[in-house]
Amino acid sequence: GQQVMQIPQYQHVQEGEDFTTYCNSSTTLSNIQWYKQRPGGHPVFLIQLVKSGEVKKQKRLTFQFGEAKKNSSLHITATQTTDVGTYFCVGKIQGAQKLVFGQGTRLTINP
Amino acid sequence: KAGVTQTPRYLIKTRGQQVTLSCSPISGHRSVSWYQQTPGQGLQFLFEYFSETQRNKGNFPGRFSGRQFSNSRSEMNVSTLELGDSALYLCASRFGETGGANVLTFGAGSRLTVL
Repeated sequence: GQQVMQIPQYQHVQEGEDFTTYCNSSTTLSNIQWYKQRPGGHPVFLIQLVKSGEVKKQKRLTFQFGEAKKNSSLHITATQTTDVGTYFCVGKIQGAQKLVFGQGTRLTINP
Repeated sequence: KAGVTQTPRYLIKTRGQQVTLSCSPISGHRSVSWYQQTPGQGLQFLFEYFSETQRNKGNFPGRFSGRQFSNSRSEMNVSTLELGDSALYLCASRFGETGGANVLTFGAGSRLTVL
């Protein structure tokens, strides 16, 4: 069925190291969103990507949407302890009123 | 404006009981969706309501049901609770289905423990 695979499931880094999580869809997406959930908190919207090949930056975070609109990535440069949490993607299936969710990547950081 | 409000925030039930959770979306948002979150399974989609109609449904048994009222508030019900139903239940609202209206705003969740 339609789904989004997100990898890795877990990532532990030293503070200052970079971090990347990837989402791959089995079907074309009309857009993809990224959310962050802090430990004990609820998901909070980070960004939405709509255009093929789109790249957006938010300070140390870089988001990319693939040319085929089937994959996306979130890259954090020089992680800080405030980056701890679970990051997950949400894609909207093209031509359908349906959202598909990545399983999330849990990021932990050693200070 | 007020965010998405979920009640109750915490509850404990025993196996076989039933539970009803409530979600009040952001004013003006017409869509409410529900999710189950567990450490092992991540975020699992339950169902979505748009203008009182169920638009999408995830792969959950019929024990899980929901509804949306004319004021967009939504409830979900789980009957005959099982131990495996212990989870954080999140609801999210969105204004529409295109562009910026497509963004989900999540509530703080209802944490259900089944003993």
